Amino acid sequence: EVQLVESGGGLVQPGSSLKLSCVASGFTFSNYGMNWIRQAPKKGLEWIALIYYDSSNKYYADSVKGRFTISRDNSKNTLYLEMNSLRSEDTAMYYCAKGYYSSYIYFDYWGQGVMVTVSS
Amino acid sequence: DIQMTQSPASLSASLGETVTIQCQASEDIYSGLAWYQQKPGKSPQLLIYGASSLQDGVPSRFSGSGSGTQYSLKISSMQTEDEGVYFCQQGLKYPLTFGSGTKLEIK
Repeated sequence: EVQLVESGGGLVQPGSSLKLSCVASGFTFSNYGMNWIRQAPKKGLEWIALIYYDSSNKYYADSVKGRFTISRDNSKNTLYLEMNSLRSEDTAMYYCAKGYYSSYIYFDYWGQGVMVTVSS
Repeated sequence: DIQMTQSPASLSASLGETVTIQCQASEDIYSGLAWYQQKPGKSPQLLIYGASSLQDGVPSRFSGSGSGTQYSLKISSMQTEDEGVYFCQQGLKYPLTFGSGTKLEIK
């Protein structure tokens, strides 16, 4: 059974940093691209970052480019999201999601999410 | 960026009723479209990918269709467990983008 378990969220002040983790199990982690997707309270879904299976390529939404960094450790089956210069608009539930690739990119498994609240 | 416009924003349906949700892309996405269902307090689940392919384990009452810029999700016989919010997503270009969601309730 595929499982994705996020951790590392919490309440932080504007301008601070936070690092999220997502531990994967039930599939060969090193074979798949992975994503972070967020959802502000009562809002829709926003894809924010993708990393290739071998970390060779990374892509970001403009809203987080230059502030957030996606990374992975295939030896630990773990995906990371390092978030710097946090703003109130970064307040959201953050999901890690396994990539499903045909000629297009979809998300076939999602974690339960971890809440990040940016507030003074 | 490719904009995804969903309609309606909300709807209510009776048990057994057929429900259709629409999604329009701002440019041709060549059937690179997925649909997700999100139940309250839960993470989204993939229902349909490639515009019309049913994800493993998803009931056959769900179906997807469309091409170019116009896509739809159909639930052929509404069940209580189908209540939730439905999102479309384009998988063609970065940034990957979602529709704003359709909230589906039982009437």
